[in-house]
Amino acid sequence: EIVLTQSPGTLSLSPGERATLSCRASQSVSSTYFAWYQQQPGRAPRLLIYATSSRATGIPDRFGGGGSGTDFTLSISRLEPEDFAVYYCQQYAASPWTFGQGTKVEIK
Amino acid sequence: QVHLVESGGSVVQPGRSLTLSCAASGFTFRTSGMHWVRQAPGKGLEWVGVIWSDGSKKIYADSVKGRFIISKDNSENTVFLQMNSLRVDDTAAYYCARDKGGAPFDLWGQGTMVTVSS
Repeated sequence: EIVLTQSPGTLSLSPGERATLSCRASQSVSSTYFAWYQQQPGRAPRLLIYATSSRATGIPDRFGGGGSGTDFTLSISRLEPEDFAVYYCQQYAASPWTFGQGTKVEIK
Repeated sequence: QVHLVESGGSVVQPGRSLTLSCAASGFTFRTSGMHWVRQAPGKGLEWVGVIWSDGSKKIYADSVKGRFIISKDNSENTVFLQMNSLRVDDTAAYYCARDKGGAPFDLWGQGTMVTVSS
């Protein structure tokens, strides 16, 4: 099983600041099969980024993904109020599909 | 409109069974694999299992293997999660999600809550 470890657990930032979230995999993951999701309180998760760096439909360009091998990042260039949420990384390269434990981006 | 709508969540006693449904609309259901993902209160996302688009293959997480069964009715555009021998630690919101084949989960339902308690 590929274990995904996200850091930090919580990120406290102000609107307009840049956020950088990390996800480390226990073994190499093909960049084709790596994604990020956003979950707002009380809502279902929403796909943000797939194939490491491709934005899903309707996702604004302030969201960007990168990385390769075992280290991946999600960046939010300028935080908007609606961006304060929990973010999960996921690998869909191999069964079992796995998620990171989540990073909460909170308002400072 | 492209939608997934889960139903069937409730409060159930340990050891009992429960079946969840996920109704799809607005897309070609028969060509989509379907996953179930759960989230315990205040916790992260846990993948539960997947069924291939034609129902030919199913894979389960170790935590539910032998207790949960996923099935798919392409004529009714619905996927099911039959949960047997329920345990307190199965308490979670259960989401269904679409997979177009080697793809991320690009469409999620709103979730349905299952509480296992005596």
